[in-house]
Amino acid sequence: QQQVKQSPQSLIVQKGGISIINCAYENTAFDYFPWYQQFPGKGPALLIAIRPDVSEKKEGRFTISFNKSAKQFSLHIMDSQPGDSATYFCAASPSWSSASKIIFGSGTRLSIRP
Amino acid sequence: DGGITQSPKYLFRKEGQNVTLSCEQNLNHDAMYWYRQDPGQGLRLIYYSQIVNDFQKGDIAEGYSVSREKKESFPLTVTSAQKNPTAFYLCASSQSRDRGHGYTFGSGTRLTVV
Repeated sequence: QQQVKQSPQSLIVQKGGISIINCAYENTAFDYFPWYQQFPGKGPALLIAIRPDVSEKKEGRFTISFNKSAKQFSLHIMDSQPGDSATYFCAASPSWSSASKIIFGSGTRLSIRP
Repeated sequence: DGGITQSPKYLFRKEGQNVTLSCEQNLNHDAMYWYRQDPGQGLRLIYYSQIVNDFQKGDIAEGYSVSREKKESFPLTVTSAQKNPTAFYLCASSQSRDRGHGYTFGSGTRLTVV
């Protein structure tokens, strides 16, 4: 019930295309869904986050789509660029307003071909 | 600049040795976390601490120990009881009352058993 399932494990997209990464969760108590981006040899960095009271959040070329009834959320990267090549983690947490541990998905290694 | 500093960047351990990984933050964050990252397995929580002098086990605490004597510091000791310690270790912190910013991660320590 605490898992966050992420797919695909790896993804190759042509430059300028749309990259889509999907995640699903089971625990309906989760109310904070961040996405992290990690470059090789570095720690993950917060990319964008959403709460379940909205269905979509957009920041630049990055969009989170959230489907509360299906317990699924996804990251869309529009006009994908070689600099977007990284590992992406979706995550979920039961609390927006106080410190609690975040549950991470298994990660998606994204490669953007020039 | 505020952030999290992990040291050393690379660490080699002999069989039967205990080693300590350092994590220091100057963000004035209340909570700190240790994660282990293995290829294809995402991030797994080892220990976390929400306040000074208190910490809780995560999902894979066996063979590890921590202390939280100061707000800024959360060192992780990998003991000889940890049978497969080769991994990338990540330290993170968060503000207990401002979760919208998620976790801030350090740059990691890569531990190798020789």
